[in-house]
Amino acid sequence: DAMVIQNPRYQVTQFGKPVTLSCSQTLNHNVMYWYQQKSSQAPKLLFHYYDKDFNNEADTPDNFQSRRPNTSFCFLDIRSPGLGDAAMYLCATSRGWGPGSEAFFGQGTRLTVV
Amino acid sequence: DAKTTQPTSMDCAEGRAANLPCNHSTISGNEYVYWYRQIHSQGPQYIIHGLKNNETNEMASLIITEDRKSSTLILPHATLRDTAVYYCIVRPSNAGGTSYGKLTFGQGTILTVHP
Repeated sequence: DAMVIQNPRYQVTQFGKPVTLSCSQTLNHNVMYWYQQKSSQAPKLLFHYYDKDFNNEADTPDNFQSRRPNTSFCFLDIRSPGLGDAAMYLCATSRGWGPGSEAFFGQGTRLTVV
Repeated sequence: DAKTTQPTSMDCAEGRAANLPCNHSTISGNEYVYWYRQIHSQGPQYIIHGLKNNETNEMASLIITEDRKSSTLILPHATLRDTAVYYCIVRPSNAGGTSYGKLTFGQGTILTVHP
C-alpha cells in the first residue's frame, strides 16, 4: 500500500495560473519535505516541516509556498508558474531527523506549464 | 555540509556484484552516510545507511573505510531492475544548525545493468 501519496501524478497548468500539488501520508511522520527535480538533475529541496515548524531553503523562490494543515497532508502552492517551473515535484516524509529516520518518497507529480 | 563525489555512470552485468563508490572526504564525526536510488520516473527509495561500521540489509551492503572518507555500496547480485540512479548522501544527525537532518542530493551514479 502506498504510504506517501501524491496527487495528481501529472498536472498541466497555464503560464501564470496558480496551481496546488498535494501530498498525504499514512505513516504519521513528523517531517514532510518538498523537492523539485528537473529533467536529468538531482532532487532539490524546496522546504520542509517538522510538525508545524516550517523551514524554507534560502534559494527557494518566493513563488513557491507550502501549507501543512495537519500531520497527514501537505500542499505545494505555485502562485504564478513560469516555464522554468516545469519539473517533477516530490514529497517525502520521515519520522524524525536521527539515524534510522529514513525518508519515504511519493511517486511525484510531473508539472507541465503551457 | 559535507559533499559527496560519485562517478557519473557505471555498468554491471546481470548476476554480478555492483560496487558503487562514493567519496566524502570532508565528512564530520556526527554525519551518517545514506544511500538512495531512483528508478526512472519514480520517487527515490531508501537503501541503507551507516556511521562507521559496515552494514548489510536485504537490499545491499555498505562498506565504510576506517577513516570514513569514502564508502562503497554493494549490490551482491545485480538484476535488470537495479538499473537506476544511485545517490550517496551525507546527512547530519546532531540537533542544531540549518542543515540538521536534511537530505541533500548530489548528482548520483547512473547504474546500468546489462543482460
